Amino acid sequence: NAGVTQTPKFQVLKTGQSMTLQCAQDMNHNSMYWYRQDPGMGLRLIYYSASEGTTDKGEVPNGYNVSRLNKREFSLRLESAAPSQTSVYFCASSGGTSLQYFGPGTRLTVT
Amino acid sequence: SQQGEEDPQALSIQEGENATMNCSYKTSINNLQWYRQNSGRGLVHLILIRSNEREKHSGRLRVTLDTSKKSSSLLITASRAADTASYFCATDRPGGYQKVTFGTGTKLQVIP
Repeated sequence: NAGVTQTPKFQVLKTGQSMTLQCAQDMNHNSMYWYRQDPGMGLRLIYYSASEGTTDKGEVPNGYNVSRLNKREFSLRLESAAPSQTSVYFCASSGGTSLQYFGPGTRLTVT
Repeated sequence: SQQGEEDPQALSIQEGENATMNCSYKTSINNLQWYRQNSGRGLVHLILIRSNEREKHSGRLRVTLDTSKKSSSLLITASRAADTASYFCATDRPGGYQKVTFGTGTKLQVIP
């Protein structure tokens, strides 16, 4: 099992460009999450999806949109990237408990 | 806002020594977890302790939870160079297991 996979691993965007970060899990988990990690800030929840067909805002949702495409896939979209969105983005999933499994991360730089 | 805060922010020890890191949180919790993050990688779950538990062991890891003080500690015994990583506590509240809040982490360096 691959667990949680994310693409791409690295991305550089110019201010105003858009992009979608992809996440997939093969553990049949109902819940999926997107976090961002900034130095000294720990992880902050952007959006989560408790089950297929539902999404909810987390702590820092502004500037992002998400799609729960099916049970396996949860994507994060930046419509108009800003330098403040430079960060490392992690996707995670969980199967009915708070124990989460994380992907390897996407390092995004917005210039 | 961060629910959990780890202390110390950074810790450097010799191989074979024990490492202790602490986590304090602000509101009532359902579970408290510890995760490890190696440099440039995703987080890996280490151990989960429920609010009605006081102590839990897993291999060289010992976690304690004091809900009256809203604090937890993670002890790594007989540390190894491979334990070098950042360690995060994470809490979730009753009725909301999806909303897990992570602390800012303790960066542990184990010197061979």
